Amino acid sequence: AQSVTQPDIHITVSEGASLELRCNYSYGATPYLFWYVQSPGQGLQLLLKYFSGDTLVQGIKGFEAEFKRSQSSFNLRKPSVHWSDAAEYFCAYRPTSGTYKYIFGTGTRLKVLA
Amino acid sequence: NAGVTQTPKFQVLKTGQSMTLQCAQDMNHNSMYWYRQDPGMGLRLIYYSASEGTTDKGEVPNGYNVSRLNKREFSLRLESAAPSQTSVYFCASRQGANTEAFFGQGTRLTVV
Repeated sequence: AQSVTQPDIHITVSEGASLELRCNYSYGATPYLFWYVQSPGQGLQLLLKYFSGDTLVQGIKGFEAEFKRSQSSFNLRKPSVHWSDAAEYFCAYRPTSGTYKYIFGTGTRLKVLA
Repeated sequence: NAGVTQTPKFQVLKTGQSMTLQCAQDMNHNSMYWYRQDPGMGLRLIYYSASEGTTDKGEVPNGYNVSRLNKREFSLRLESAAPSQTSVYFCASRQGANTEAFFGQGTRLTVV
């Protein structure tokens, strides 16, 4: 079955430290890939997306993600975390054909220590 | 631009009551979605509408109905609310194939 796995439910980092959030997907071909962020009580905001081309994608707020086809992964990174990055992060994909559905991971909640 | 607007933002229902969650987008998008978000389960698709006049079931459609009233509006109806439908509901819309989904602010529904 098609699925997205975010293996880390919670991550805690110190402000200024680097961050990597993991995402793996299960799909036969290269899908469209997304990272969204959700602040408490808010909707989902798109951080970045991958459709094709360069496998290193730059997003808003200093985030980037790298698509690795061989590992079916799309990990999110930030070199230096700010306290305002505390939120929940969702990885999602949409197959490139046959469906309009977005498949979401279960989310990773990020806590930032001052 | 308002983007995707959901009403109401909060709602408490008694078991067995009915209600309709409203969603409207002003971006002229073709596709619209309803998701529910539950702790530890991410977002699960309830229904989606690929274009005006069409609707399809998602992962968890039981207990819900939808109406794509026109291109702008996509409503979600609970005919007889159950405590298991306590959740945060998100509406989203998308324009075309190579685009992302845009989300509303959510409706927090509690069924007692």
